[in-house]
Amino acid sequence: GQNIDQPTEMTATEGAIVQINCTYQTSGFNGLFWYQQHAGEAPTFLSYNVLDGLEEKGRFSSFLSRSKGYSYLLLKELQMKDSASYLCAVRDSNYQLIWGAGTKLIIKP
Amino acid sequence: DVKVTQSSRYLVKRTGEKVFLECVQDMDHENMFWYRQDPGLGLRLIYFSYDVKMKEKGDIPEGYSVSREKKERFSLILESASTNQTSMYLCASSPDRVLEQYFGPGTRLTVT
Repeated sequence: GQNIDQPTEMTATEGAIVQINCTYQTSGFNGLFWYQQHAGEAPTFLSYNVLDGLEEKGRFSSFLSRSKGYSYLLLKELQMKDSASYLCAVRDSNYQLIWGAGTKLIIKP
Repeated sequence: DVKVTQSSRYLVKRTGEKVFLECVQDMDHENMFWYRQDPGLGLRLIYFSYDVKMKEKGDIPEGYSVSREKKERFSLILESASTNQTSMYLCASSPDRVLEQYFGPGTRLTVT
């Protein structure tokens, strides 16, 4: 079956750096997405990786290793507004998105 | 900015009622999707549509149907609501099968 694994919850301190991991087993691979979802709100797109390596976008970076079935989202200079759930999703060979359950990130002052 | 709107943020219905959830996007996107989101689970695809009047079953279509009469509107129908359909329903659209999806604010449906 297809599976996306992420930690359920993480805690970090304001101003620090946090890495959220995502491992996947899917039937085919056509890209990996990270979304941010604040409580009670819609998911919003953060990043997309289709080739191995690091994609940087401001305070957020996303890394992909296709051979390892592994990605991480790196958040730097954490702010209180970064408290949210972070969803990892993989597009499979049928171009459907397979979603992880999300990682709830709690930022403490 | 892409805007995806859903008809209700909160909805309470009784078991057996027919429920309509409406979704409208304003960016002329070809593709539209309906998901449900439950605690501890990833988003699960109910139905999707790649064109007007076209619909495809997702992973959990049982108990649901959809309608796409116009490009901008994609409706989810619960033919006879049941308590296990209590959930957050998210609509999304995308311009292309490869590109990212844009989500509406969600409808939290409670079936009593």
